[in-house]
Amino acid sequence: GENVEQHPSTLSVQEGDSAVIKCTYSDSASNYFPWYKQELGKRPQLIIDIRSNVGEKKDQRIAVTLNKTAKHFSLHITETQPEDSAVYFCAASSLTGGGNKLTFGTGTQLKVEL
Amino acid sequence: KAGVTQTPRYLIKTRGQQVTLSCSPISGHRSVSWYQQTPGQGLQFLFEYFSETQRNKGNFPGRFSGRQFSNSRSEMNVSTLELGDSALYLCASSLGTVPNYGYTFGSGTRLTVV
Repeated sequence: GENVEQHPSTLSVQEGDSAVIKCTYSDSASNYFPWYKQELGKRPQLIIDIRSNVGEKKDQRIAVTLNKTAKHFSLHITETQPEDSAVYFCAASSLTGGGNKLTFGTGTQLKVEL
Repeated sequence: KAGVTQTPRYLIKTRGQQVTLSCSPISGHRSVSWYQQTPGQGLQFLFEYFSETQRNKGNFPGRFSGRQFSNSRSEMNVSTLELGDSALYLCASSLGTVPNYGYTFGSGTRLTVV
């Protein structure tokens, strides 16, 4: 089955700096790669996603890049702010059996320091 | 519009007992997925139901089971609880396929097994 690895597990940056989180996946059939943000005590929320027919996608301060050949994708956050502090999860979608299933990475705790 | 509702929010059970968790999806959503979230492990897929049928199943023992009712509400049952079952159980609903419609997560049920 699909396996998603995520690095780093913790990341501390200064406010205004950029943050990069990287993920690799194993199943070449995966075609959908979302990123979720989970603040302490809250539910995971989708912040950005990318499909396998696109190499890069940007939404204001957040961007995601995908390298299908190398089977890795990355989340980039520019001009970080304290409210960006949260746990970020990458995921990959494998439509095995026609159903919905996301395989998640183990998460990155991002801390933005003032 | 109401979001995904999970009940109860918190549960404390004793080893060996069984537990039932409930999830009411967003109105109109027929796909309901369940995930187990533990520190360091990220979110691990348990199973997905669509129109009362289990479409996908993760790698969990048979003690974990679920079902979906005709109104799309879903229940998850864990029998013979073990200490390692302590986790946040998240349910997510979707209008269709996740790549096209995404997931909306509930706030989860925090299960503690003592």
